[in-house]
Amino acid sequence: NAGVTQTPKFRILKIGQSMTLQCTQDMNHNYMYWYRQDPGMGLKLIYYSVGAGITDKGEVPNGYNVSRSTTEDFPLRLELAAPSQTSVYFCASSPTVAETQYFGPGTRLLVL
Amino acid sequence: DQQVKQNSPSLSVQEGRISILNCDYTNSMFDYFLWYKKYPAEGPTFLISISSIKDKNEDGRFTVFLNKSAKHLSLHIVPSQPGDSAVYFCAARLISGSKSTFGDGTTLTVKP
Repeated sequence: NAGVTQTPKFRILKIGQSMTLQCTQDMNHNYMYWYRQDPGMGLKLIYYSVGAGITDKGEVPNGYNVSRSTTEDFPLRLELAAPSQTSVYFCASSPTVAETQYFGPGTRLLVL
Repeated sequence: DQQVKQNSPSLSVQEGRISILNCDYTNSMFDYFLWYKKYPAEGPTFLISISSIKDKNEDGRFTVFLNKSAKHLSLHIVPSQPGDSAVYFCAARLISGSKSTFGDGTTLTVKP
């Protein structure tokens, strides 16, 4: 099993550009999450999903969009990149709400 | 208002000694607590958890203590090993909830 995979590993964006961060899990988990981690800070929840077709906002959803058309994939979309979105983005999944989350390796994003 | 706080950004201990990492929370509704470990350039990995019905949970060298009245939990690592050097995140949530709130992390360095 690959677990949770994220692509790309690193990306530089110009202000105003858009991009999609990809996240795929092969564990058939219902729950998936997107977090961002700023330097020296903890993880902040951006969006989460409790199953295909169902998504909800976390703590810091502004500037992002998500979709969940399949159990495996949970892409995160940035429409108009801003320097404040420079961060490391982690995707995670869990089989149920009560169980712990498995994290991907992260995507490092730099917006200049 | 930060609901989960790890007041020590860093901790350095000698190999073989005890490491104690602390975490405080403000939301008395939290009833499930987790510790994650993170190495550089990797995603966090689950370490140990505790529910509010317990005051202690052990797993090998790792023990988590919960003091509900003080809204405080701690992670003890005995004996500490150089491979334990990492960032440790405390997280809290409702046991029925899907959203975890993370602290800012404590960087543990274990010196040989």
